[in-house]
Amino acid sequence: QQQVKQSPQSLIVQKGGISIINCAYENTAFDYFPWYQQFPGKGPALLIAIRPDVSEKKEGRFTISFNKSAKQFSLHIMDSQPGDSATYFCAASLGGATNKLIFGTGTLLAVQP
Amino acid sequence: DVKVTQSSRYLVKRTGEKVFLECVQDMDHENMFWYRQDPGLGLRLIYFSYDVKMKEKGDIPEGYSVSREKKERFSLILESASTNQTSMYLCASRAPKLTMNTEAFFGQGTRLTVV
Repeated sequence: QQQVKQSPQSLIVQKGGISIINCAYENTAFDYFPWYQQFPGKGPALLIAIRPDVSEKKEGRFTISFNKSAKQFSLHIMDSQPGDSATYFCAASLGGATNKLIFGTGTLLAVQP
Repeated sequence: DVKVTQSSRYLVKRTGEKVFLECVQDMDHENMFWYRQDPGLGLRLIYFSYDVKMKEKGDIPEGYSVSREKKERFSLILESASTNQTSMYLCASRAPKLTMNTEAFFGQGTRLTVV
């Protein structure tokens, strides 16, 4: 019940296209849903995050769509660029004093020029 | 600039060795975490600590232990390294939820190879 399921495992998009990565969860106690971006040789870094009282959050070309009833959330990258090529992880937080993050399995995105 | 620093980028150890992975953060965060990253499996939580000398098991604690003697330092210990522990290890720190600063900051990772 603490899993976060992420798909697809890999994604190839043409420059200028839209990249979409999906995640699903079971535990309704999750109260914070971030996306992390990881470039080769680096640790993951926070990209964008949303709380369940909001259905959408947009920051530049990156948008999270959140469907509380379906227990699903997704990352949309508009006008995808080669520099967006990275591994993307969705995550969910259980909250509480320990503030533990549960991660999805990751999506390797390649944006072709 | 916030920082989580892992002591080694690359390590090669022999089967049966005791291995120490060190992590230091400069953000005065109470919570620190050790994850293991493997292709197709994402980031799996090994152990976490919510205060000095306090620790809890994550999802895959077998074969590992941790130590947190000071707030800024969190060590991962492989008691007797095995080849199936060859992986990328990532340390992270995070402020407690009550502060509403919920971003987790990661180190650059330690690529451990056990031969």
